[in-house]
Amino acid sequence: QVQLVQSGSELKKPGASVKISCKASGYTFGTYPLTWVRQAPGQGLEWMGWINTNTGNPTFAQDFTGRFVLSLDTSVSTAYLQINSLKAEDTAVYYCARDRGLTAAGAPRFYRFYVMDVWGQGTTVTVSS
Amino acid sequence: DIQMTQSPSSLSASVGDRVTITCRASQTVGRSVNWYQHQPGKAPKLLIYAASNLQTGVPSRFSGFGSGTDFTLTITSLQLEDFATYYCQQSSSAHQFTFGQGTKVEIK
Repeated sequence: QVQLVQSGSELKKPGASVKISCKASGYTFGTYPLTWVRQAPGQGLEWMGWINTNTGNPTFAQDFTGRFVLSLDTSVSTAYLQINSLKAEDTAVYYCARDRGLTAAGAPRFYRFYVMDVWGQGTTVTVSS
Repeated sequence: DIQMTQSPSSLSASVGDRVTITCRASQTVGRSVNWYQHQPGKAPKLLIYAASNLQTGVPSRFSGFGSGTDFTLTITSLQLEDFATYYCQQSSSAHQFTFGQGTKVEIK
């Protein structure tokens, strides 16, 4: 079945880097972009950015530029989120999700409504000295 | 950037109640609003897309309505498994998303 499986929890010190993986299975990897979402403790969901799984081109939300890197290894159908120069405020659960365009009744056939239809299980990153 | 404002931020309800959550966009987003359910320790789950379309496998007690800037998610006859946090999300630009701040539905 279609699934995204993320790497395990990480405990890091401030200033270090972390690289989270998201392995796709059950579909052709390059068909859909992958997007990343953060949930800090006690907070809501924040969209971080997405990566084109054909070209590897990343796009980031305004609050996630600079220290954040999105990359791919298409040979193993895996996307990566790397966070450099970690800060305590990076402590959060990070999710990857498949970004898919759906058609809907009443809309032109060519029009796509973009959703996050399949999610990874989440990776907890804790930054603490 | 488009902001999504949900209300209420939390509510208490009983099993069998009808619950409505609202979401307002800071500018028109057409019908490009999705709704997700998020339970603690689990991945979020897509419920409704394009404002009113039920995702495959989602119970019919969930429904969505709206267009432009104002949207609602309604749960008729709340079940135990529906106690969770619900998020609206706009996707009016391809691959660019914004979530509302969430509405926590708690047991009364």
